[in-house]
Amino acid sequence: DTEVTQTPKHLVMGMTNKKSLKCEQHMGHRAMYWYKQKAKKPPELMFVYSYEKLSINESVPSRFSPECPNSSLLNLHLHALQPEDSALYLCASSQEVDRNQPQHFGDGTRLSIL
Amino acid sequence: QQQVKQSPQSLIVQKGGISIINCAYENTAFDYFPWYQQFPGKGPALLIAIRPDVSEKKEGRFTISFNKSAKQFSLHIMDSQPGDSATYFCAASKGAGNNRKLIWGLGTSLAVNP
Repeated sequence: DTEVTQTPKHLVMGMTNKKSLKCEQHMGHRAMYWYKQKAKKPPELMFVYSYEKLSINESVPSRFSPECPNSSLLNLHLHALQPEDSALYLCASSQEVDRNQPQHFGDGTRLSIL
Repeated sequence: QQQVKQSPQSLIVQKGGISIINCAYENTAFDYFPWYQQFPGKGPALLIAIRPDVSEKKEGRFTISFNKSAKQFSLHIMDSQPGDSATYFCAASKGAGNNRKLIWGLGTSLAVNP
């Protein structure tokens, strides 16, 4: 069982909808990450939070809005997405950003934009 | 420009054989080299990792060989099993403080025939 829990597992939404992806970890990690993964491609970094503060935004379009309410939770708010945003969205956590500690991944949310 | 080059793109090995996946990099700022394994429908999971001051690291059937002068590292899977069939990603880490992030190879799809 993965120690990083993501909900929902699957999400289908229209381009005008607003939805949120949720991620939770209880390992005491202070770094959390959002990745986007297309089929047969590596994960693509979107955002990094360190101690609940946004430290990296990889020039992600504003229709994706991250939020870190506390050290265990990470949300990704979605609005006015495009069909090309259909992908697997992965959350990960690690002890801290600035150490070479492994990133622990959830199993992702499979997002389909109609 | 791909900062971490991974080969081959796909690999078929017979049960009991040795699977070898290679990665190369140019940026000497990289200082941590993990390998991730990803099964269909799952998030990536850390398999094994190495730092550049070590030339080889072994964990069970999995071995990383690291050649700092050649800027290459490889994953060897000994006695490959059908359960090893997955996509393998090499990665390299660089960056200071909260700007630290993983740079991923494009992945290798491994199939182990029974």
